[in-house]
Formats: sequence, C-alpha cells, structure tokens
Amino acid sequence: SAVISQKPSRDICQRGTSLTIQCQVDSQVTMMFWYRQQPGQSLTLIATANQGSEATYESGFVIDKFPISRPNLTFSTLTVSNMSPEDSSIYLCSVTDRRAAEAFFGQGTRLTVV
Amino acid sequence: QKEVEQNSGPLSVPEGAIASLNCTYSDRGSQSFFWYRQYSGKSPELIMFIYSNGDKEDGRFTAQLNKASQYVSLLIRDSQPSDSATYLCAVIAAGGTSYGKLTFGQGTILTVHP
Repeated sequence: SAVISQKPSRDICQRGTSLTIQCQVDSQVTMMFWYRQQPGQSLTLIATANQGSEATYESGFVIDKFPISRPNLTFSTLTVSNMSPEDSSIYLCSVTDRRAAEAFFGQGTRLTVV
Repeated sequence: QKEVEQNSGPLSVPEGAIASLNCTYSDRGSQSFFWYRQYSGKSPELIMFIYSNGDKEDGRFTAQLNKASQYVSLLIRDSQPSDSATYLCAVIAAGGTSYGKLTFGQGTILTVHP
C-alpha cells in the first residue's frame, strides 16, 4: 500500500490568483495522477504526472492552466492558475500500485475561489 | 455512451436491508474494478477491488464481476445508517496510454434510513 500526504487540505483563494497543491508519497511510484471533483460530480482525471518528462493532460485540461511538476518519484505538485469560481473543486492526487490493481488517494484539497 | 455508468440514484433502503449498486463499463480491456465510498466533503475511500470474474466477499460487502456482460456490482448486506454515502465505481484500463488511470462512474447516492 501507499500513504499519500496532500496539502493544503483546503483553501479559499481570490480569483486571478494561483494555488499550488503538493502530494508526497511514502514510496517511489512511476505514475501519479491528479483528479478534480467538481461540486456534485464524480472524479475526472486532469493529468498523469510522469517523472522525468512532461505531464500528460486529458482532453479539456491544459498545461497553462494546470502546470504540474514531478521532480522525483515520491513528489508532485499541481498548480491551479489564474483561478476563477469555476475552479472551486476538490483536487486529489492518486497513485496506483505496480500492477495497477489498486489505487490510493491523498486526503484531497478543497478549493474555494471567491 | 459513458465509459463507466452507474445506476441512477439516489437509492434509499431501510436499515438491515441489502443495498445493490450496479455499474457497467464500455472498455472490454478493463482489468481492475473498484468500489469507493465517499462521505460528503471527504476523499474517496476504497471498499473493494475485484479483477476476476465471480464474487468477492469482505464482511458485509460483496463485489460481483461479469466481464462477458461488462458489469460489476456491489452488494451491502445488513445496511447501516453509517453506510449512507456516495458510492463510486471505477475502472482501470488494461494498458497502453490508459495504464493506471481510473475512470469513474457518476456515483450513486445511498441513503440507509433507520
């Protein structure tokens, strides 16, 4: 299993500003994933954070809006840039085990943009 | 057609009854299937995962997988009010560019009333 520490757990931000969310895993993992959960919705994958290469973004998400860093195999950050109220969501990082048979989540970051 | 579809809710059952949650998926190459429970404002927590056809039991929970029908279900026996939450079905693809990524259904809200 993997233990993921994600912070901040919540934040209230002004529109137009940026927030960086950090995710620390207690073991080395090849891939880390960032998800968004908008109010009343299910989870949607934003991007896959790859160590040593650029993140891979899903349709509808772009690097300028959600830049991701992955400096090593245990850490990643997601930045929500130039925020608007529509970005108010829960953001979660996740890793899967080597066989992709189980997935683990951080505690989530509840973001409110005012 | 959505990639992962859950039976529409909300689902309401009396305490002590069996709650049945259903999920279908479109990608025949999917290899692992997960049921998550999410309380309001919290991160999803894993209840069970299954990757072989048939039933898998864990306490009051039974996951059922039928790959031929592309169907996975979760049964909750002796439902308790504390089981009231949103239940998310998620699927991991077999490989390629989707390896390790979770695709979620829209979730089913379960309410267990005393």
